[in-house]
Amino acid sequence: DTGVSQDPRHKITKRGQNVTFRCDPISEHNRLYWYRQTLGQGPEFLTYFQNEAQLEKSRLLSDRFSAERPKGSFSTLEIQRTEQGDSAMYLCASSLGRDTDTQYFGPGTRLTVL
Amino acid sequence: GNSVTQMEGPVTLSEEAFLTINCTYTATGYPSLFWYVQYPGEGLQLLLKATKADDKGSNKGFEATYRKETTSFHLEKGSVQVSDSAVYFCARELIFGQGTELSVKP
Repeated sequence: DTGVSQDPRHKITKRGQNVTFRCDPISEHNRLYWYRQTLGQGPEFLTYFQNEAQLEKSRLLSDRFSAERPKGSFSTLEIQRTEQGDSAMYLCASSLGRDTDTQYFGPGTRLTVL
Repeated sequence: GNSVTQMEGPVTLSEEAFLTINCTYTATGYPSLFWYVQYPGEGLQLLLKATKADDKGSNKGFEATYRKETTSFHLEKGSVQVSDSAVYFCARELIFGQGTELSVKP
């Protein structure tokens, strides 16, 4: 069990650019979640997958955000036309697959939009 | 809508003091409830959880009881240590509270 990994750990980009983050969950975990966290706040839910199916997406999630999990293993989160307000820590978590299951978090990708 | 509200920090205590961090939730039905902890420089990790009403979760001397009557899941520890200094998050499935920073002084 190598834990949840995220890449890159840090990303600095200019406003208007597109960025893509990758998450590799724990291998036997069926669910994969994406959250955003800003300083002094708790994780804010963005979306989650059960295997390759995207089951829920936050209403707060802009159309500029898209996530995929094509083979039910790793996932990518893309932000198009980044804005300064997108600057945050993007967290990925995985779990076995039930609502009662513990989520295991990765270290996060810190995005800074200049 | 569904939400989780926890007491604001920072909370500063002396070593061996009693800790309570309040957490209340709103929900339809009876969601599973969690406390996650984030130590300085580390990622979030589960501290304890309860999956049904009246369950008590416990770990590392911390406890929390799922109270459906008061929709609460307060975190308690009888004697805190300096190593407990961290940010604590109450959560229900996809929804997290804003976090409570705990600082324990020797």
